[in-house]
Amino acid sequence: GENVEQHPSTLSVQEGDSAVIKCTYSDSASNYFPWYKQELGKRPQLIIDIRSNVGEKKDQRIAVTLNKTAKHFSLHITETQPEDSAVYFCAASRPLGRLYFGRGTQLTVWP
Amino acid sequence: SAVISQKPSRDICQRGTSLTIQCQVDSQVTMMFWYRQQPGQSLTLIATANQGSEATYESGFVIDKFPISRPNLTFSTLTVSNMSPEDSSIYLCSVEAGTSSTDTQYFGPGTRLTVL
Repeated sequence: GENVEQHPSTLSVQEGDSAVIKCTYSDSASNYFPWYKQELGKRPQLIIDIRSNVGEKKDQRIAVTLNKTAKHFSLHITETQPEDSAVYFCAASRPLGRLYFGRGTQLTVWP
Repeated sequence: SAVISQKPSRDICQRGTSLTIQCQVDSQVTMMFWYRQQPGQSLTLIATANQGSEATYESGFVIDKFPISRPNLTFSTLTVSNMSPEDSSIYLCSVEAGTSSTDTQYFGPGTRLTVL
């Protein structure tokens, strides 16, 4: 099956700084890589995703990069704000839509 | 995106009993999924709910413990059978929605289950 590793498990940054979260996956058949943000007591919310035919995607302060050869992908958040504080999960999707999640990163942005 | 609801939102159950969780979507979807999120942990895929056929279970999950129904393209149920305290988790359904080239997965609000 698919194995997704995510680092770091916790990340603290000062407001305005950048945050980077990294993930690796094991199954070369995985072709879709979403990132979810989960606030306490809430459902996971999709914030950005990337497909295997694209190397980078950006949406305002959030960007994701994918290296298929190395089987790793990363989430970059610039100009962090306190409201970015949450748990972030990366995931890799095998065929038929099954998502396999990393263990999560608790991001804390200090004002 | 899709609007997804789950019932119940939370429940407290006694060990040995069973609970059925419902997932309703506001549009027809082909793929529905059930996940478990144990306290402070990540999400783990339980099974894929297929309309018109049996669910496909991930390693470590079996039909006798987590029977799933998918009677139509907008509804699914997950039953947690013969519960023990280890089953205390949040159970989430999800659906794929969008055009075939941009299908993304959206989650329901979850059902918080506590087993005493």
